[in-house]
Amino acid sequence: GAGVSQSPSNKVTEKGKDVELRCDPISGHTALYWYRQSLGQGLEFLIYFQGNSAPDKSGLPSDRFSAERTGGSVSTLTIQRTQQEDSAVYLCASSPLAGVGEQYFGPGTRLTVT
Amino acid sequence: ILNVEQSPQSLHVQEGDSTNFTCSFPSSNFYALHWYRWETAKSPEALFVMTLNGDEKKKGRISATLNTKEGYSYLYIKGSQPEDSATYLCAQGGAQKLVFGQGTRLTINP
Repeated sequence: GAGVSQSPSNKVTEKGKDVELRCDPISGHTALYWYRQSLGQGLEFLIYFQGNSAPDKSGLPSDRFSAERTGGSVSTLTIQRTQQEDSAVYLCASSPLAGVGEQYFGPGTRLTVT
Repeated sequence: ILNVEQSPQSLHVQEGDSTNFTCSFPSSNFYALHWYRWETAKSPEALFVMTLNGDEKKKGRISATLNTKEGYSYLYIKGSQPEDSATYLCAQGGAQKLVFGQGTRLTINP
């Protein structure tokens, strides 16, 4: 079956512009996660959605970052007024239920802020 | 240990040799330990999810062990092949999110 998909695969933007990153999780997966990997760093948790519950936003690095999940499926991560330190690979993952099981990752969006 | 730590950061192994690397994590409030393989230009792929102290899991030439009391897990690769070249990530899983180590970048030399 189809895996997690993300778009765009690459995005180059100028400092100060807004960007939107999209994630299509596996159909039927109720949990959705966003992570990012900055150069030389490990994967860093950003935000987590579980069904209709309020999202866990504890990993968002600043108020320039926000995310939505519409209809319990597609999610959009928005970064406003991008800064160079936002350059990273942004990964989305989904899982059937939150908890101990594995997460299924998309291929990521490589964001470069110039 | 407050964070998830992996060692070594990078490793070069000759094809056919066996190798192993380490993941250390906080032993308190343990929930689950995940291993992922991340090949360049691909999605991270789950290898193992381990929850029980003393657990040992195997997938082909790759195996992993878990010690939750002392807070470490080992990943072993037997008879390394070029296709094993990847970054291996471990993560401690809570109920809602994973906390990742920085990964071990493995390169297999033919």
